[in-house]
Amino acid sequence: AQKITQTQPGMFVQEKEAVTLDCTYDTSDPSYGLFWYKQPSSGEMIFLIYQGSYDQQNATEGRYSLNFQKARKSANLVISASQLGDSAMYFCAMRLNFGNEKLTFGTGTRLTIIP
Amino acid sequence: EAQVTQNPRYLITVTGKKLTVTCSQNMNHEYMSWYRQDPGLGLRQIYYSMNVEVTDKGDVPEGYKVSRKEKRNFPLILESPSPNQTSLYFCASSLIGGDLEKLFFGSGTQLSVL
Repeated sequence: AQKITQTQPGMFVQEKEAVTLDCTYDTSDPSYGLFWYKQPSSGEMIFLIYQGSYDQQNATEGRYSLNFQKARKSANLVISASQLGDSAMYFCAMRLNFGNEKLTFGTGTRLTIIP
Repeated sequence: EAQVTQNPRYLITVTGKKLTVTCSQNMNHEYMSWYRQDPGLGLRQIYYSMNVEVTDKGDVPEGYKVSRKEKRNFPLILESPSPNQTSLYFCASSLIGGDLEKLFFGSGTQLSVL
């Protein structure tokens, strides 16, 4: 069965600094996708970035990038030049191809940006 | 606008009183799913559906029912709610295909069972 581990329950970062949120995963399936979602205090789940297991390049979306290290089974989210609006809960998730198609989530990291 | 619509946003009920949380998507997605979110546990899948009339259990299905009579709707039914079902619930949908499609989430339903 697949598993996602986020070992940082909470982080405090100074505004404008870069921040890395850790995520490791475990699966024996060769085809999978890794996702990051942001959940602000309002509660909705906002998709941030996606990395496919066969993608050669690390994914980037604006200030977000995914540091994908396949051999280490890690998929860390990097936020450059953090802003106050980045304060939120962040979830790493994995999805396998075929079958259930479900997302398996980590327990999340609460990021607080300090002015 | 492409979206997943959940209702209600907030719900307070009492033990044993049947309730339904509705979910509707306008993106013609085959796949729909329900998750519950609890502190320290992340999101866990309750039920999912790969298409009309095709539903199956997720990781935590006990105490819940679902139906998929139409492609766009996927209601979550609690026949006899209990306090341990107090949680934040999300409906999600996506396409099914060769690429791993992202899930689109509804706004969530905060349920309190007294």
